Amino acid sequence: GQQLNQSPQSMFIQEGEDVSMNCTSSSIFNTWLWYKQDPGEGPVLLIALYKAGELTSNGRLTAQFGITRKDSFLNISASIPSDVGIYFCAGRDGGSQGNLIFGKGTKLSVKP
Amino acid sequence: EPEVTQTPSHQVTQMGQEVILRCVPISNHLYFYWYRQILGQKVEFLVSFYNNEISEKSEIFDDQFSVERPDGSNFTLKIRSTKLEDSAMYFCASSPDRVVGYTFGSGTRLTVV
Repeated sequence: GQQLNQSPQSMFIQEGEDVSMNCTSSSIFNTWLWYKQDPGEGPVLLIALYKAGELTSNGRLTAQFGITRKDSFLNISASIPSDVGIYFCAGRDGGSQGNLIFGKGTKLSVKP
Repeated sequence: EPEVTQTPSHQVTQMGQEVILRCVPISNHLYFYWYRQILGQKVEFLVSFYNNEISEKSEIFDDQFSVERPDGSNFTLKIRSTKLEDSAMYFCASSPDRVVGYTFGSGTRLTVV
């Protein structure tokens, strides 16, 4: 089946540093989404990307839909302690009825 | 901000028992989903539901699982005879269409003992 490879698995950074994480897939997607999950909570949508090459920002977060449609990255600038959590990429292909395939997540820890 | 509401937040059940997990999707949304997340692992698709029927389901969603939208506001997931490996967080989600990213609820933690 389709798989998403998300990296890195975890990151330990200092407050104020920039962060970058990415996802690659074995097949083409027509939607890429980035979610953040806090402990004991459901994933919260951060950014949605619908077109190859699209670059979208949400505050300090920026994500891009790769032009090959097989990858996406998420950048967080000037990290703060509340950025701590698990970040998941998720993709959707054209044949699905809307269901998403999730990456395994990137666990972000921020040292004040 | 509209929310997807799930109840209960935590359910403990004996192996072999039936459980029903409940969800109230966002009111003007038309597509509904159940996902699950085994502790420490990725979120996995179970089933999507549109127009009062299942649109798609994964291999995980076997004959022990069923979904229902009994009254136009609730969306339920039933597990007929729970197994230990059904222990997980179960997330309900809804969206207005198939294209946009959707909204997840806070989840129900199911523990099968």
